Amino acid sequence: DGGITQSPKYLFRKEGQNVTLSCEQNLNHDAMYWYRQDPGQGLRLIYYSQIVNDFQKGDIAEGYSVSREKKESFPLTVTSAQKNPTAFYLCATTYEAGGFSGELFFGEGSRLTVL
Amino acid sequence: AQSVTQLGSHVSVSEGALVLLRCNYSSSVPPYLFWYVQYPNQGLQLLLKYTTGATLVKGINGFEAEFKKSETSFHLTKPSAHMSDAAEYFCAVTSRDDKIIFGKGTRLHILP
Repeated sequence: DGGITQSPKYLFRKEGQNVTLSCEQNLNHDAMYWYRQDPGQGLRLIYYSQIVNDFQKGDIAEGYSVSREKKESFPLTVTSAQKNPTAFYLCATTYEAGGFSGELFFGEGSRLTVL
Repeated sequence: AQSVTQLGSHVSVSEGALVLLRCNYSSSVPPYLFWYVQYPNQGLQLLLKYTTGATLVKGINGFEAEFKKSETSFHLTKPSAHMSDAAEYFCAVTSRDDKIIFGKGTRLHILP
């Protein structure tokens, strides 16, 4: 089936540890995005990538890092520098890297809890 | 800069009643407008979108929304609520060559 796969679905981390969230897509979409969702806050953009080997910071990039070595993959690392990492993380894609139409396709999310 | 305001973080309606979720936007250029739905512990899925053309847009699951430029609104409606409509709904705005901006969401509760 075509789609976006995020893993793991649930993750627990001790303070001071880095964790990496996986996002893989087989939709052949050019652009990929990472959002953070907190209750009552909507979605906030962390990083996005419109093409392989290139990515841009979103509104809340501090404490996060990404890579885009393959078109299909856009992993997100939550570093120990992120002060409040407990949240629901969503990966999304869109098929138009240039003329952005706004229609995003989402994975099922990864819930990170810092103990 | 673009922005989205969703009025009411929680809305409750009785099963069979009209659903109305409000969304107002701000944009200096012609906007693209969207409604997404999110069920618990899942990602978002597109309900409907407005880009150009007809201002009344029909989406999945019986939902529709009307773009009113004079009121800068894009309210979401459904004539008759069903228990399966209970979810969180997000309004979003973007324009060509810009990022998408999401509202903070409205959680819809359906009362039996």
